[in-house]
This record gives sequence, C-alpha cells and structure tokens, in this order.
Amino acid sequence: NAGVMQNPRHLVRRRGQEARLRCSPMKGHSHVYWYRQLPEEGLKFMVYLQKENIIDESGMPKERFSAEFPKEGPSILRIQQVVRGDSAAYFCASSPPRGRGHYEQYFGPGTRLTVT
Amino acid sequence: AQKVTQAQTEISVVEKEDVTLDCVYETRDTTYYLFWYKQPPSGELVFLIRRNSFDEQNEISGRYSWNFQKSTSSFNFTITASQVVDSAVYFCALQETSGSRLTFGEGTQLTVNP
Repeated sequence: NAGVMQNPRHLVRRRGQEARLRCSPMKGHSHVYWYRQLPEEGLKFMVYLQKENIIDESGMPKERFSAEFPKEGPSILRIQQVVRGDSAAYFCASSPPRGRGHYEQYFGPGTRLTVT
Repeated sequence: AQKVTQAQTEISVVEKEDVTLDCVYETRDTTYYLFWYKQPPSGELVFLIRRNSFDEQNEISGRYSWNFQKSTSSFNFTITASQVVDSAVYFCALQETSGSRLTFGEGTQLTVNP
C-alpha cells in the first residue's frame, strides 16, 4: 500500500513563474491537507480539501495561492507569480473518511520549492 | 484558539544521556489529540505517537516515553540513552476534534554528539 506521494520532490522556479505541486493521497483516503514549512520554522496549516470541495482554507495566503482536489487525479497546490518568500517545504497529508480513523494524518515526503 | 509551545529551540546532549523535550498546549476543546513527529536531516516527517485527551496513561516504546499531564496541559517526550541517530527536529502537534487541522509547535532541534 503506497504512502502519500508528492511530486516533484524539488522544484526551482524564477520569480514570477508558476509553481504546481502535486499530492496523491493514500489509497482509500478522501481528505487532503497542505502544510508549509518556511526555513527554520514549524509547519503551518494552509488548506484542507475533500474531493471537489475546499473544507477549510483559513491558512491560505489571500493572493496567488490556490488548491484543488478533483474527482479524479491528485490534489494540486498552485502558486502563481512566485516570490522569494514562497521558498519553503510544502507537505501534503491525507486521512481516511470520517469515522474510519479520520484523525490520523499521513504525511508525504514534501516538495522543496526554491524561488531564484 | 489552539496553540502549541515548544520552549526549547535547541538541545545538545552527549550520547547515552537521557533528554526530555517539552510541549505545552492550549485548547478550548475537551476532546483533542496530541502528536509527536520527528524530522531527520533528510526532511521527511516521521510519525512517533498519537494520544487522545481521555487517555492520560504514560506510554513507553523502547527508548521513547511520553508523559501526558492534562492538569498542566503538557505532553513531554523523553529519549532514554540517546543515540546519534536521534539527532533531528522534533515537533509536537495538537488536533482538535472540532476541526481537522494539525497545529504544530515550532520544533526542538536535538543534537546528540558522540
């Protein structure tokens, strides 16, 4: 049973470009969470999604950031017009549906975004 | 609002010493979960333990032990006979059942020297 998969593992973008980060949850998991870890800091919640629904986006920056989790395919975290301050590790986690160990979150290996 | 505080930013010990990492949390929920994660230099997050707020029994797993004290809102983590491979950043996290997000502390960088 494959774990949470994230790709790419490392991504380099120039200022002003777009960054797309992908997350494939564990099999059977229908909930996805994105967290950001800035250098030398802890992880901060960004957004919580279920298939085709954003449940909680209270941690997302107001501009340039968006997330989706379509019916088919991986969850995507999209950052438009990246700036140097977006350089960070972005972690995705998934959990089973409510009532089936929902409060366990399994983390992927992360995507390290570097903006030059 | 929920909050997790790890007051120790960095700890350095010599191999075979015991070390305790502190974690204090704040929450208004009566039901919640507490976690510890390890982040080695390779960067991934390794799950160590989850405890729910109803279970205050201390837990031991090999060289690791956890002390959950609801009265002081603390969930401390002790490594006995530390080893160089224990060197990592350790994060404490809180999850309220009224929501699903994890709230992390700022982490404690543990360095175990040979």
